Amino acid sequence: GENVEQHPSTLSVQEGDSAVIKCTYSDSASNYFPWYKQELGKRPQLIIDIRSNVGEKKDQRIAVTLNKTAKHFSLHITETQPEDSAVYFCAASVVQGAQKLVFGQGTRLTINP
Amino acid sequence: EADIYQTPRYLVIGTGKKITLECSQTMGHDKMYWYQQDPGMELHLIHYSYGVNSTEKGDLSSESTVSRIRTEHFPLTLESARPSHTSQYLCASTPSGRETQYFGPGTRLLVL
Repeated sequence: GENVEQHPSTLSVQEGDSAVIKCTYSDSASNYFPWYKQELGKRPQLIIDIRSNVGEKKDQRIAVTLNKTAKHFSLHITETQPEDSAVYFCAASVVQGAQKLVFGQGTRLTINP
Repeated sequence: EADIYQTPRYLVIGTGKKITLECSQTMGHDKMYWYQQDPGMELHLIHYSYGVNSTEKGDLSSESTVSRIRTEHFPLTLESARPSHTSQYLCASTPSGRETQYFGPGTRLLVL
């Protein structure tokens, strides 16, 4: 079945710098890759997603890139702000059988002022 | 307002008690999911449903059960709560033909 690995588990960056979180997946048939942000005490919320027919997608300060050949995708946050501090989860869709997402282990991002 | 709702938000209960965590969505989504998550940690899928009268076990073994009698309602039941069940339980739903999951606010469970 699908397996998603996420790195790093914790990331600390200075305000204004960029942050990059990486995920790899195992099932080459996966075709949908969302990223969720979970602030302390809140629910996970979708911040950006990408499909396998697209290599990059951008929404203001956040972007996601996908390398299907290498089976990895990354979240890029530029000009980081204190409100970007949260836990971020990547996920990959399971195509065959159960219609579900397999989540990465999460990255705790801290933005230092 | 169309959303996904969970009740109770917080629950403290003694060992051996039977509890039901409620999840309802008003978006007409056909797929629904239950996850167990220690705060800020990995999400573990424990149950999911494709629609009415359809339920499946997830990747994490769980002593809980679920039912899906109505499209909008997906309750999770623990017949006999134990301290090891202490965690946060998140419900999510997905519209037909899509993969994006939308999460409820969660229920924080503490079993003494």
